[in-house]
Amino acid sequence: TQLLEQSPQFLSIQEGENLTVYCNSSSVFSSLQWYRQEPGEGPVLLVTVVTGGEVKKLKRLTFQFGDARKDSSLHITAAQPGDTGLYLCAGARAGNMLTFGGGTRLMVKP
Amino acid sequence: GAVVSQHPSRVICKSGTSVKIECRSLDFQATTMFWYRQFPKQSLMLMATSNEGSKATYEQGVEKDKFLINHASLTLSTLTVTSAHPEDSSFYICSADRDQSRDTQYFGPGTRLTVL
Repeated sequence: TQLLEQSPQFLSIQEGENLTVYCNSSSVFSSLQWYRQEPGEGPVLLVTVVTGGEVKKLKRLTFQFGDARKDSSLHITAAQPGDTGLYLCAGARAGNMLTFGGGTRLMVKP
Repeated sequence: GAVVSQHPSRVICKSGTSVKIECRSLDFQATTMFWYRQFPKQSLMLMATSNEGSKATYEQGVEKDKFLINHASLTLSTLTVTSAHPEDSSFYICSADRDQSRDTQYFGPGTRLTVL
């Protein structure tokens, strides 16, 4: 079983602070995806990283895939209240099946 | 874009009844669809993989006779929760695979099931 450990589970910060969410596994994934989910809604894809060492930026969000394709991080710069939500990482395995991490619940206080 | 819809968005039923949830890919064909369950404050857990025209593949611990999956067309998969009980109350989310070569799934908005 391929497991993805996501940390921290919960994060409460003030507006303007930076934060990093980590996603770690002992297994190699063909790609790793980050999603954001609002309460009562389905996850929305933020980014897919495929190549080891790859870095992708989406405005104030920076995503990195580990060199060995076993881990990933999401860094948010100058967090805003609108960033509040559940962030999920998911590793893709054979047959395009996704294994989700436990999620990080982020709260950004104004 | 790739849009996936689910119906109904919310359903409340009595214990012992069956509930059907539909998942549709609106602007693309999906050979494969996935069904997930999400309990409050938890992550998504894959229940089963649904392939058009064939039997679904269930994850370990998921009862195939309780959670019936039908994928009759390239744009529709249904999940039927049979003889529902309060412990089946959860948020059920489907996703559709648009392009297997790109490891990309598009998620529906979810269905909140409450069993009384």
